[in-house]
Amino acid sequence: QVSLKESGPGILQPFQTLSLTCSFSGFSLGTSNMGVGWIRQTSGKGLEYLATIWWDDDKYFNPSLNSRLTVSKDTSNNQAFLKITSVDTADTGTYYCTQSWQRNWFAYWGQGTLVTVSS
Amino acid sequence: DIRMTQSPASLSASLGETVNIECLASEDIYSDLAWYQQKPGKSPQLLIYNANSLQNGVPSRFSGSGSGTQYSLKINSLQSEDVATYFCQQYNNYPTFGAGTKLELK
Repeated sequence: QVSLKESGPGILQPFQTLSLTCSFSGFSLGTSNMGVGWIRQTSGKGLEYLATIWWDDDKYFNPSLNSRLTVSKDTSNNQAFLKITSVDTADTGTYYCTQSWQRNWFAYWGQGTLVTVSS
Repeated sequence: DIRMTQSPASLSASLGETVNIECLASEDIYSDLAWYQQKPGKSPQLLIYNANSLQNGVPSRFSGSGSGTQYSLKINSLQSEDVATYFCQQYNNYPTFGAGTKLELK
């Protein structure tokens, strides 16, 4: 049974770096063609794809956010990580981690974590 | 980026009715299309991938079709639990989502 759960700071200030952790079970990022994707939902842009990290450490990013994003993984501990640098109020929203297999459709989603950027 | 235009933005239908939601891609996406259902306060749930493949556990009253730039999601015999917002998403290029279709009961 696949399960994912995001964790993060809840609130942070403009220009800070957002760090999110996805803890998952029911699959392994050591399995061929497996990936963990990050998606956010904001009032301004709706559902927005951020990035995917794949089993072989390949990474795929939204080009419009590429320069601000970092993704990584800890396969042994079933975790994936997302960092977004220099946040502003437009980054306020709910952040989801998801499971992908082979392609970038998102079969399983975490419950989401709300991130608020405010001074 | 590939733009996904969903229609209608909102829809009101009766129990037992058949509902169709459309999604138009700004370029050919070669059936690299998924549909999701999101209920209030919940995460999106995958319904369809590869334009017409039903995700495990999804009721058979949901179906997807289309090719090229035009795709649709069909819900047969609408049930009360189908009240939700529906999103399309392409993955032919980096993923992009439609703005959503809010489905309500009449």
